[in-house]
Amino acid sequence: DIQMTQSPSSLSASVGDRVTITCRASQSISSYLNWYQQKPGKAPNLLIYAASSLQSGVPSRFSGSGSGTDFTLTISSLQPEDFANYYCQQTYSTPFTFGPGTKVDIK
Amino acid sequence: EVQLVESGGGLVQPGRSQRLSCTASGFTFGDYAMSWFRQAPGKGLEWVGFIRSKGYGGTIEYAASVKGRFTISRDDSKSIAYLQMNSLKTEDTAVYYCSRGREKPGYWGQGTLVTVSS
Repeated sequence: DIQMTQSPSSLSASVGDRVTITCRASQSISSYLNWYQQKPGKAPNLLIYAASSLQSGVPSRFSGSGSGTDFTLTISSLQPEDFANYYCQQTYSTPFTFGPGTKVDIK
Repeated sequence: EVQLVESGGGLVQPGRSQRLSCTASGFTFGDYAMSWFRQAPGKGLEWVGFIRSKGYGGTIEYAASVKGRFTISRDDSKSIAYLQMNSLKTEDTAVYYCSRGREKPGYWGQGTLVTVSS
């Protein structure tokens, strides 16, 4: 199975900050990488698919980059509604594993 | 508008069975793969499995943790995906989500809680 790691596990940031979350795969997954946002008690929301493609309806302050084993989710200017948990997921091969998540909270 | 609604959750004893349903609307159900995920209380997301559309053979894949105990199926005439869960264990306690798609699950249901406890 492909193992996914994320860093940091949590971060504190202020509104307006630029935030970067990193995801690493245990082997190359090309660009088969999704990013999700999840708020407490809610279903995950797909933000980025295929490593860098913005899902319809997602604000342009979210962006993704990377290929192979190293990926990044960037929020260019953190907004109050962005405080949440973020997960990466590989869809290169089954089982489609997730990273452990990154909690973004208010500084 | 795409909508996915899970149902069938609840309290079930270890070793028993439960069937979850995912009722879809707002799109041509038969054209899409359907996926299931779960999230144990306070934990991260776990992929459970998916079923491809009939056009792609309707094949199914499962996570190792549920393979042999869970069965995913679909009824395209009713726009429903199912997750049949047998031989349930306490560690299967989770909110279960269905979603549309396989590699790009862009629409999710609200989730249904399954609690496995005696």
